[in-house]
Amino acid sequence: AQKITQTQPGMFVQEKEAVTLDCTYDTSDQSYGLFWYKQPSSGEMIFLIYQGSYDEQNATEGRYSLNFQKARKSANLVISASQLGDSAMYFCAMREGEGMDSSYKLIFGSGTRLLVRP
Amino acid sequence: DAGVTQSPTHLIKTRGQQVTLRCSPKSGHDTVSWYQQALGQGPQFIFQYYEEEERQRGNFPDRFSGHQFPNYSSELNVNALLLGDSALYLCASSFYRTEAFFGQGTRLTVV
Repeated sequence: AQKITQTQPGMFVQEKEAVTLDCTYDTSDQSYGLFWYKQPSSGEMIFLIYQGSYDEQNATEGRYSLNFQKARKSANLVISASQLGDSAMYFCAMREGEGMDSSYKLIFGSGTRLLVRP
Repeated sequence: DAGVTQSPTHLIKTRGQQVTLRCSPKSGHDTVSWYQQALGQGPQFIFQYYEEEERQRGNFPDRFSGHQFPNYSSELNVNALLLGDSALYLCASSFYRTEAFFGQGTRLTVV
């Protein structure tokens, strides 16, 4: 069964330092997509970064990078140079299949609350 | 460019009542998905609408139903509300299989 596991309920990081948020996934599909979303206290889920299972390069978007280790089924989010505004809930999500065969639903983990200290 | 908008932002209903939540997708998006997020948990997929039809459904009872209009906006209806339906309801829109953009959600409290 498809499942996303985020084992860190909460994390602290000092401003300007880097932090890694862990995500492992379980799927029997060979083709899938992995996403990270940020959820501030306002409630909106903000898309951060995407990694396709067939992408050979790790995805990067500005200060966000995704450390994709396919054999270990992990997709950790790395935030460099943390800012106070990065304090929020972070969710890892998976969508099975890619392209024409993809499912439509996102499966989310339970999230990690990140607090950036000044 | 307006993003995904949801209304209302907060709602209090009594057990057994019915509720309708509304969602306008981001400009250029034709697909709308609904998610339920209980306190302290990740969102759970309810269903997705495309071309005014339900395309995929999650593990939710028939009390949860939806509709998509020709302008791509969507409604989520929940009948016979239970206390356990209290949650943040998130609407997400997308075009084809691109990444989903979410609204700020509707916080539903059932008393």
